[in-house]
Amino acid sequence: EAGVTQFPSHSVIEKGQTVTLRCDPISGHDNLYWYRRVMGKEIKFLLHFVKESKQDESGMPNNRFLAERTGGTYSTLKVQPAELEDSGVYFCASSQDQGAGDSLGKNIQYFGAGTRLSVL
Amino acid sequence: AQKVTQAQTEISVVEKEDVTLDCVYETRDTTYYLFWYKQPPSGELVFLIRRNSFDEQNEISGRYSWNFQKSTSSFNFTITASQVVDSAVYFCALSAFNDYKLSFGAGTTVTVRA
Repeated sequence: EAGVTQFPSHSVIEKGQTVTLRCDPISGHDNLYWYRRVMGKEIKFLLHFVKESKQDESGMPNNRFLAERTGGTYSTLKVQPAELEDSGVYFCASSQDQGAGDSLGKNIQYFGAGTRLSVL
Repeated sequence: AQKVTQAQTEISVVEKEDVTLDCVYETRDTTYYLFWYKQPPSGELVFLIRRNSFDEQNEISGRYSWNFQKSTSSFNFTITASQVVDSAVYFCALSAFNDYKLSFGAGTTVTVRA
């Protein structure tokens, strides 16, 4: 079974340009998450999709960030225009159905290798 | 608010030594999950373990073991007889029982020298 895949693995852009990151979750996983790690600090939650709907986007830094998940499959995260402080590693994760108290591991999030974004 | 602290930034050991990674957390939730993830040089975060807050039984998986102590809000991770392949960044994380957001610590970089 394929894991979570992300591309590109590395993107270098100039300040003010636009970049689009893509994430393909594990097949059958309704939940998709974006996280970001900046400058070796903690990995921070950005947002959560359930199928094609945004369940929670409270972690999105500002309106320069736009996430979509058309059709409930893969997701894109666009940064427009990029700023220097957007540099970091963007991780995508997916999980099966949510559910409190489940013992089947459905809320375990499986991560991709991340996209390293460098804004110069 | 939830907070996870991994006080050790880097740990370097010689192969076959044991290494313990500390994780201390803060949460107002009475029930929650704790996690450990491993990030090898390839970059992906690899899930290692999930622990429910109401289950304080320690767990062992091969050379890995976890010590959960609710009284001290700690969820420490020990690698016994470390190997070079254990070299990675290890992250401790926390989520509320009815939530999905993971709150991560800053990670501990483990280097195992041959």
